[in-house]
Amino acid sequence: AQTVTQSQPEMSVQEAETVTLSCTYDTSESDYYLFWYKQPPSRQMILVIRQEAYKQQNATENRFSVNFQKAAKSFSLKISDSQLGDAAMYFCAYRSRGQAGTALIFGKGTTLSVSS
Amino acid sequence: DTEVTQTPKHLVMGMTNKKSLKCEQHMGHRAMYWYKQKAKKPPELMFVYSYEKLSINESVPSRFSPECPNSSLLNLHLHALQPEDSALYLCASSQEIYSYNSPLHFGNGTRLTVT
Repeated sequence: AQTVTQSQPEMSVQEAETVTLSCTYDTSESDYYLFWYKQPPSRQMILVIRQEAYKQQNATENRFSVNFQKAAKSFSLKISDSQLGDAAMYFCAYRSRGQAGTALIFGKGTTLSVSS
Repeated sequence: DTEVTQTPKHLVMGMTNKKSLKCEQHMGHRAMYWYKQKAKKPPELMFVYSYEKLSINESVPSRFSPECPNSSLLNLHLHALQPEDSALYLCASSQEIYSYNSPLHFGNGTRLTVT
């Protein structure tokens, strides 16, 4: 069974600085998708970025980028030029291909605080 | 603006009450999901509907009863709940149940308190 591990329960960063959130996963599959979701106090889970396992190029969305290391089974999220609105709980998630991929497998989350 | 709408935002109910949570999406998605989330924890999958048919029930107690009247609507009927059922209930949708590259779109959730 697949598992997702986020080893940092809490992280903090100052405005305009860069922070990296860690995520590792365990799987025997070769084709899958990885996601980072953000959940601010407003409660809605918002998709931040996604990465297909077969794509070697790291995904980027504005200030958010990932460092995807398939062999190491690592999928970290880098937030550049941090803003107060980035404060939230961040979840790393894994989704298999095919019938096994019905549901997302979430990590336990990392709470990010941003100070001015 | 959220594309998945959940009502109500907050709900307080007694253990003998019957209430329903509602979820609506107009993105043409054919898969819809109910998740339960406790504070500071990841969401836990409860039910999955595909083309209005129940595909997955993650051994959820029968006091939770899902219903999918059409492809845009998803309900969760609640009856005889326990205080430990207090949580945030999230609805989500995606294009297809097995479309692994299709992200889930979540609603804002319903904060449920059982007294």
